[in-house]
Amino acid sequence: GQQLNQSPQSMFIQEGEDVSMNCTSSSIFNTWLWYKQDPGEGPVLLIALYKAGELTSNGRLTAQFGITRKDSFLNISASIPSDVGIYFCAGFSTGSGNTGKLIFGQGTTLQVKP
Amino acid sequence: AAGVIQSPRHLIKEKRETATLKCYPIPRHDTVYWYQQGPGQDPQFLISFYEKMQSDKGSIPDRFSAQQFSDYHSELNMSSLELGDSALYFCASSLLGGKVEQFFGPGTRLTVL
Repeated sequence: GQQLNQSPQSMFIQEGEDVSMNCTSSSIFNTWLWYKQDPGEGPVLLIALYKAGELTSNGRLTAQFGITRKDSFLNISASIPSDVGIYFCAGFSTGSGNTGKLIFGQGTTLQVKP
Repeated sequence: AAGVIQSPRHLIKEKRETATLKCYPIPRHDTVYWYQQGPGQDPQFLISFYEKMQSDKGSIPDRFSAQQFSDYHSELNMSSLELGDSALYFCASSLLGGKVEQFFGPGTRLTVL
């Protein structure tokens, strides 16, 4: 089945540092999304990417959709303590029905040291 | 802005019991998705509904069933619960016909003892 490989698995950085994480897939996805999840809470949508090569920013977050549509990266600039959490990439996969589904990467756990 | 509402937030059940999880999508969203997230795992797609009809099906056990009602809320019914069903269950909603962004609820933490 379709799988997303997300790396790194975890990161421990100093406040103020920049962060980069990426996702790769053997399959093409037409849409990539990046979510952040706090412990015990639901994933919160950060950025959605719709076009190959698209570069989108949301505050200190920047994400790009790879040209081949098989990869994406997320950058966080000038990290702050509230950036702590688990970041998931997700590819939108069309199904046999109308709605499709999200296939998630394994997640990147980010810890920020004040 | 209104978000996805899930109830209950926490549920404790015994093995072989049944459980019903409820989801109220964002107003005007017509599509509901259910995901299961085990400890330390990524969310796994279970099932989705569009305009009150089942649309796509993932790795949902036969012991589970779900439906979407006329007011677009959805319920996930889980029977003959097993220890391995202990997980976070998320509902997400989207507006099909628009972009495919799915917005997640806060989840229901199910513990099976």
